[in-house]
Amino acid sequence: DIVMTQSPDSLSVSLGERVTINCKSSQSVFYSSNNKNYLAWYQQKSGQPPTLLIYWASTRESGVPDRFSGSGSETDFTLTISSLQAEDVAVYYCQQHYTSPVSFGPGTRVEIK
Amino acid sequence: EVQLLESGGGLVQPGGSLRLSCAASGFTFGGYAMTWVRQAPGRGLEWVSSITRGGDTSYGDSVKGRFTISRDNSKYMLYLQINNLRAEDTAVYYCARDPNGDFYFDNWGQGTLVTVSA
Repeated sequence: DIVMTQSPDSLSVSLGERVTINCKSSQSVFYSSNNKNYLAWYQQKSGQPPTLLIYWASTRESGVPDRFSGSGSETDFTLTISSLQAEDVAVYYCQQHYTSPVSFGPGTRVEIK
Repeated sequence: EVQLLESGGGLVQPGGSLRLSCAASGFTFGGYAMTWVRQAPGRGLEWVSSITRGGDTSYGDSVKGRFTISRDNSKYMLYLQINNLRAEDTAVYYCARDPNGDFYFDNWGQGTLVTVSA
């Protein structure tokens, strides 16, 4: 099974500052036949279900603000919030969907400093 | 607007059973794979089970043999039969839509809480 890790566990950032969340998979989630990384990012605000932010490692879901971006390949991925807004306070999860069982990272909590 | 509404959760004793339901609307249900994901209190997300458009199923190791996913496309309903419940099954259970059959999830319900306790 693929194990997903995230760093940091939590971070406190000032409004308008840049946020970087790292995600690492225990094996590559890159499928060479279609040149895609099977990695998604979700945001979960307190008391709410997750919402999809990014899929294929870097494709932003419709309606997601462009301050959110995803990058990386194979085993190392990053979610970046270019300018933190108050409504971005949440836990962020990465997820590999390369192989079953799909697996999520443990989450990174983002707070306002 | 895509809507997913889970129901059927509650308090159940260890060893008991429940049937969770997810009512879908706002999209052509039969054209999508569907999934259950759970979240224990204060914990992260755990994939539980998925069912393809054609009815093929898959399960996480922790629930295999105890949980059964099914769907009724005519009723726009997704189900999860959960048997032989354990304390560690206590969680909010979310149903989610898989837009392309690639096991990422673009729409989630609000969830239903299952509590396993004597």
